Amino acid sequence: DVVMTQSPLSLPVTLGQPASISCRSSQSLVYSDGNIYVNWFQQRPGQSPRRLIYKVSNRDSGVPERFSGSGSGTDFTLKISRVEAEDVGVYYCMQGTHWPLTFGGGTKVEIK
Amino acid sequence: QITLKESGPTLVKPTQTLTLTCTLSGFSLSTRGVGVGWIRQSPGKALEWLAFIYWDDDKRYSPSLKRRLTITKDTSKNQVVLTMTNMDPVDTATYYCAHSIEDYNNRPNYFDYWGRGTLVTVSS
Repeated sequence: DVVMTQSPLSLPVTLGQPASISCRSSQSLVYSDGNIYVNWFQQRPGQSPRRLIYKVSNRDSGVPERFSGSGSGTDFTLKISRVEAEDVGVYYCMQGTHWPLTFGGGTKVEIK
Repeated sequence: QITLKESGPTLVKPTQTLTLTCTLSGFSLSTRGVGVGWIRQSPGKALEWLAFIYWDDDKRYSPSLKRRLTITKDTSKNQVVLTMTNMDPVDTATYYCAHSIEDYNNRPNYFDYWGRGTLVTVSS
């Protein structure tokens, strides 16, 4: 199975400041078609997960522009350009290149 | 508008079989390219993928749980059913179903819509 390792585990951020979450995979996530199937999800307290980013860097409809995804091969990053109060929650990366589908352990974003 | 809703028992006893239903709205699993997956989350823990079913009835399972899981679809009822045998207290979790749709490369873009989840507690 592909192991998705996220860091940090917890990320205290000042409102208006940037935040960055790392996700590393135990093997390359480049599919035979050349695409990389990495998604990012946000889970606010008490809510279901919500997809923010698909295929590394594509923002889902309605997702604020302050969220961006990047990466290649085995290293991926989710960035929030200026953290807002509504961004508090746990963020998960997920790979969809290889079966079984696997999620990272999560990064908790909180306000300082 | 795409929505999914999970339903099933909130409490099951150890060794029993759990049956969960995901009722789909706004889309059909008979449509080419559509898929539905099940994901669970133990209290305070990370997400864990369990099973996936495609529009053409192709199915995938988590290897660690494969012998206990069965996923099926009923397109006439627009439902996806997950059964898990031999339940144990460690299976206590919120169970989610989620929608997927293939992109132009015929690869699923997984889990763009999620249900609210259903909490299942395993206890005697």
